[in-house]
Amino acid sequence: DTEVTQTPKHLVMGMTNKKSLKCEQHMGHRAMYWYKQKAKKPPELMFVYSYEKLSINESVPSRFSPECPNSSLLNLHLHALQPEDSALYLCASSPPEGQPQETQYFGPGTRLLVL
Amino acid sequence: GDSVTQMEGPVTLSEEAFLTINCTYTATGYPSLFWYVQYPGEGLQLLLKATKADDKGSNKGFEATYRKETTSFHLEKGSVQVSDSAVYFCALGTGNQFYFGTGTSLTVIP
Repeated sequence: DTEVTQTPKHLVMGMTNKKSLKCEQHMGHRAMYWYKQKAKKPPELMFVYSYEKLSINESVPSRFSPECPNSSLLNLHLHALQPEDSALYLCASSPPEGQPQETQYFGPGTRLLVL
Repeated sequence: GDSVTQMEGPVTLSEEAFLTINCTYTATGYPSLFWYVQYPGEGLQLLLKATKADDKGSNKGFEATYRKETTSFHLEKGSVQVSDSAVYFCALGTGNQFYFGTGTSLTVIP
């Protein structure tokens, strides 16, 4: 099984709302990722968690707050977003660094619209 | 630094035509190479991968060979179908970092 699940599938929020995106995998992967993808563009890395610790933050604004409660779950908390934050948010997971044949497996994404 | 350069699109082909999407890379070390496909409204799906020079990845009729001498990983399919219409991303993986190409949009017409 190479499935990464994400909820919700779609989300509409106002600029004053607080919401959370959820990602789950049961492949035993110890690295998890958040990406942001705008239309007709490649995914842009936001955060990397390795063994439940934040290892990479690509200078993402503080209105995006990641959380990794355990090795299977990854959340992205959203607060005071701007309309330009509207995008497809993708979660991915992979075996830990150093494993052979590292591959990132992506979820279906959450399509976010900020009004 | 590491990077991927991918053929610009969009590409429009007739059904049963031959497909090539070019991808070249720049890397230090020994990266793995990937092709991902994204159908409209969906996430990225792994299409195929290769982890060392001369490896050939293949899946669903698509193939790509990891060529170190030309630093390339071109995607090919002998006979495309309407259902292959999607955006294709070439990617380079090293450690926990991935570098994506810009994506190539493919439309196959009946």
